[in-house]
Formats: sequence, C-alpha cells, structure tokens
Amino acid sequence: AQKITQTQPGMFVQEKEAVTLDCTYDTSDPSYGLFWYKQPSSGEMIFLIYQGSYDQQNATEGRYSLNFQKARKSANLVISASQLGDSAMYFCAMSPRWGGSEKLVFGKGTKLTVNP
Amino acid sequence: ETGVTQTPRHLVMGMTNKKSLKCEQHLGHNAMYWYKQSAKKPLELMFVYNFKEQTENNSVPSRFSPECPNSSHLFLHLHTLQPEDSALYLCASSQGSQAPKNIQYFGAGTRLSVL
Repeated sequence: AQKITQTQPGMFVQEKEAVTLDCTYDTSDPSYGLFWYKQPSSGEMIFLIYQGSYDQQNATEGRYSLNFQKARKSANLVISASQLGDSAMYFCAMSPRWGGSEKLVFGKGTKLTVNP
Repeated sequence: ETGVTQTPRHLVMGMTNKKSLKCEQHLGHNAMYWYKQSAKKPLELMFVYNFKEQTENNSVPSRFSPECPNSSHLFLHLHTLQPEDSALYLCASSQGSQAPKNIQYFGAGTRLSVL
C-alpha cells in the first residue's frame, strides 16, 4: 500500500523568502508519480508540479521546484520568492505508474502562511 | 479556471432530501473522479470513471450514487444523507490513467451541509 506523510501541519514564511514543504512517501511499486497540489481557502485543488520516479532531473514549474530524493523517499516542494497569494493548504500525492494508476493517495497537507 | 466546473458551490439539505451534484469538464479528458474532503482528514477517493465505466468504488455507502452519462459529465446523486456526510465534495478529471497523463485537475468543489 502507498502512504504519504506530511509532517508539518503549518508553516510560516516571510514574503519574498523561499520555503520548503516536506513530503515523504512509502511504496513498493517500482515506478510511480509524485504530485503537489495547492488548495486556497476557496476550496479548489490546483495542480502545481509532477515528478516521475524515473525522471533524471528534478521537476520545476516557475517558482515551484520538487526536491526529489529517491533513496530517502522524499519529494519536498520548494517555493521560491513567496507571495501573499501562496498562503494555502499544500498536498503531496502519489500514484503507481502502471496499472490502476488513476488512484491518487494524498497526504494530510501543510498549511502555509506567508507574512508581509 | 481549471476547466472543471462543479455546481452548486454550496448545498444545504435535510436528511430526507434528494439532491444531485454536477461536474462538467471541458478538457477532453477520459477519466473523472469524486472525492470527499472532511475537516482534518486526507482526501478520500469515492468513485472513478474511465470512458464512462466505473472502475473504482471505494466502499462508499449506497446513499451516494454516481452517474457518468458521458466522458464530460459526472453526477453524484444524494439521498437520505447523514450529518457526518457534511464535507467538501471535489470532482476531478484526467486525460488517462497512466502517469503523467493521470495528472488530475479539480473543480472548486461543492460544500455540502446535512442538517
């Protein structure tokens, strides 16, 4: 069974600074995908970034980057130059790559607050 | 705007009512999903549809009845709900079932309150 652990219930960061949100995972699948989503108070889950387990390079999307350490089974999200609009819940998720991979398993989330 | 629209955004219903949640995706995706998000709990997958066929029912009580008439529309029919069913119900869609095509795009959700 797959499991996602997000150990930081809440994080605070000053505007314009970088912040790292932790995510560790557990799986016996040889190939898998890792995802990060943002959920503002409005409720919508917004896809941020994807990392495949066999991708050679860490994924980046604008101010978001994924620090993927396969041996440690970690997939931390790094947000550079934080903005007030980054305040939200952030969820890490994973799925197997093959066979029934439409099923995402989510962590409990981290609430990020960006202070002015 | 993610291309996934959910209506209504808010719903209050009594335990004896029957209501339906609607989800429509404009992304040309083939898979659609219903999730339940309760306070302080991880997202719970409820149902998965691939090409209009249900491929996952995550032990959801029968008072929740999904319907997928085509790849663009997904409904969740509700009847005789309990107060503990109050939650945010999220719909999502994805292009396919294998990574990276299984990136799911979500709607804004329906916040349901059962009195």
